[in-house]
Amino acid sequence: ETGVTQTPRHLVMGMTNKKSLKCEQHLGHNAMYWYKQSAKKPLELMFVYSLEERVENNSVPSRFSPECPNSSHLFLHLHTLQPEDSALYLCASSQDRSWAAQYGYTFGSGTRLTVV
Amino acid sequence: AQKVTQAQTEISVVEKEDVTLDCVYETRDTTYYLFWYKQPPSGELVFLIRRNSFDEQNEISGRYSWNFQKSTSSFNFTITASQVVDSAVYFCALSGRSGGSYIPTFGRGTSLIVHP
Repeated sequence: ETGVTQTPRHLVMGMTNKKSLKCEQHLGHNAMYWYKQSAKKPLELMFVYSLEERVENNSVPSRFSPECPNSSHLFLHLHTLQPEDSALYLCASSQDRSWAAQYGYTFGSGTRLTVV
Repeated sequence: AQKVTQAQTEISVVEKEDVTLDCVYETRDTTYYLFWYKQPPSGELVFLIRRNSFDEQNEISGRYSWNFQKSTSSFNFTITASQVVDSAVYFCALSGRSGGSYIPTFGRGTSLIVHP
């Protein structure tokens, strides 16, 4: 247990479905992140939240919609996804953004998403 | 711009062999931080070590050791007497303050397979 919990661990969804990924941390961290890990590609940063405010959005398609209702929870809402969106989606947290630069992240175990 | 290169995509060894994972980086920052993470089959990236650019001392932690050389912009990771439990994907990462962003840049990862 890293202190960052992601649910579900596995998700299979059709292209017309709507689903949500959940991330929860009880580390008292103020920054949370969504990363996408595809086969044979580098980790791709999707979104950064700092104190519940979205501070970065790296040109992610609108079919991915993040939500951070409080500093402990982060969601990724999914709708009308494409097969190429199949990947491992990792959530991470850090004390704050500058802390992450110096001390690294705490990652969750990820949600393995398959779009059919 | 920051860049991290892990030229070894996959390494296969037999248990008890020593193995070195290479990491070469590029950055214009004078202050920066380097990391190694381990991603076992369970999915989460586990923090292993952090190094700042002013500390070139090599570090040893049990069977793990790290060799940081600014002259060659490398931060290599050696596992001595490898074990099957070391099988995982290992990521090298770099963060600095390029353009005011603290977001780490990850390498593509090296998959280490340790055979019994």
